[in-house]
Amino acid sequence: DQQVKQNSPSLSVQEGRISILNCDYTNSMFDYFLWYKKYPAEGPTFLISISSIKDKNEDGRFTVFLNKSAKHLSLHIVPSQPGDSAVYFCAASGMDSNYQLIWGAGTKLIIKP
Amino acid sequence: DVKVTQSSRYLVKRTGEKVFLECVQDMDHENMFWYRQDPGLGLRLIYFSYDVKMKEKGDIPEGYSVSREKKERFSLILESASTNQTSMYLCASSLEPGLRNEKLFFGSGTQLSVL
Repeated sequence: DQQVKQNSPSLSVQEGRISILNCDYTNSMFDYFLWYKKYPAEGPTFLISISSIKDKNEDGRFTVFLNKSAKHLSLHIVPSQPGDSAVYFCAASGMDSNYQLIWGAGTKLIIKP
Repeated sequence: DVKVTQSSRYLVKRTGEKVFLECVQDMDHENMFWYRQDPGLGLRLIYFSYDVKMKEKGDIPEGYSVSREKKERFSLILESASTNQTSMYLCASSLEPGLRNEKLFFGSGTQLSVL
């Protein structure tokens, strides 16, 4: 059973608008969450992270929100740009996973011009 | 910039063959990892290593082994390839000491097809 779920396989957003990517997790022992971005023919690259002691972390156009009670996190991209078109993976870790990352299946984001 | 290099971008092998996937990193990272990525399943950890000659099983080690003779090189070995090992294989490294290794640097991946 997947402990980290990204329920939207794909998402299409108009350039300039906000992209919101969602991620749910089941293990309450997870205490660190990350988003990675992957272009075709490249490996994933680290984008942004958040510790469970925070509920928001911002880095330029990217903001991650964490709702611990709902076991839900989201990545907001504002404004969306064509170069943001990629697959976005959510990942989580904690003591239960021996601090190894548990990954979601990914969401393919398509930014329309 | 950290560079993680995987020796092959595409590889086609036959069932039963022994397969070596090589990975080299140039930033003196302690930790190295092998993942496989399959559609709808995300990334799954096969093996990892915190030090030379040291290895730990990940979530799906069956059918695989690894070798880390030098700090910069981490090899994944499929002793007898099977069709269910057809996948994208990703190598990664990380700098953080100790247990928390979440910020990973990935290679470009090797798409392995086993016929």
